[in-house]
Amino acid sequence: GAVVSQHPSWVICKSGTSVKIECRSLDFQATTMFWYRQFPKQSLMLMATSNEGSKATYEQGVEKDKFLINHASLTLSTLTVTSAHPEDSSFYICSARAPAQPQHFGDGTRLSIL
Amino acid sequence: GDSVTQMEGPVTLSEEAFLTINCTYTATGYPSLFWYVQYPGEGLQLLLKATKADDKGSNKGFEATYRKETTSFHLEKGSVQVSDSAVYFCALRGTGTASKLTFGTGTRLQVTL
Repeated sequence: GAVVSQHPSWVICKSGTSVKIECRSLDFQATTMFWYRQFPKQSLMLMATSNEGSKATYEQGVEKDKFLINHASLTLSTLTVTSAHPEDSSFYICSARAPAQPQHFGDGTRLSIL
Repeated sequence: GDSVTQMEGPVTLSEEAFLTINCTYTATGYPSLFWYVQYPGEGLQLLLKATKADDKGSNKGFEATYRKETTSFHLEKGSVQVSDSAVYFCALRGTGTASKLTFGTGTRLQVTL
């Protein structure tokens, strides 16, 4: 069964609103969580890496004020897309890992901004 | 920096055909190598992995061997099924505690009856 749960799986919202995506590790403590963005028919682009209790490390070119990441516990990380616009529409995938363990992925969230 | 190159798709095969998806990598040291599979509308699932040279990862009939001399990790399956239709990503993780996964661009496999 799934070890990483991502919610919601699909969201449609109006331009200018903020959207929060949750990522939970179900049966392990995820000391590190990752957020990826995937454009149609392309590979995954790492947006940021977060360690529990500390600020996320963003990849070059990713706006930290636009994509707010919180990793408040060992089982939960959230990605908030603030003031979303149509160009933010994408497939967002979270991933979680415990030390020395494989990295597990959520099923992704398809975000559509109208 | 680290990089992964995999063959472009789509790859279209008939059921029971032999599959090879090529993957080569560039990395310093001794990375771990992975193949992930993504079914439509879903996230990635780990298919198999290898952590050192000459290791062979295998799962669900798929195999890949870590070849350091050719810096390759080609994915193979002897007889594909329609249910194998998906996008396959080759990836590596470098050495070090802060290392991240680096993905290839993905190869779409379409298996027909």
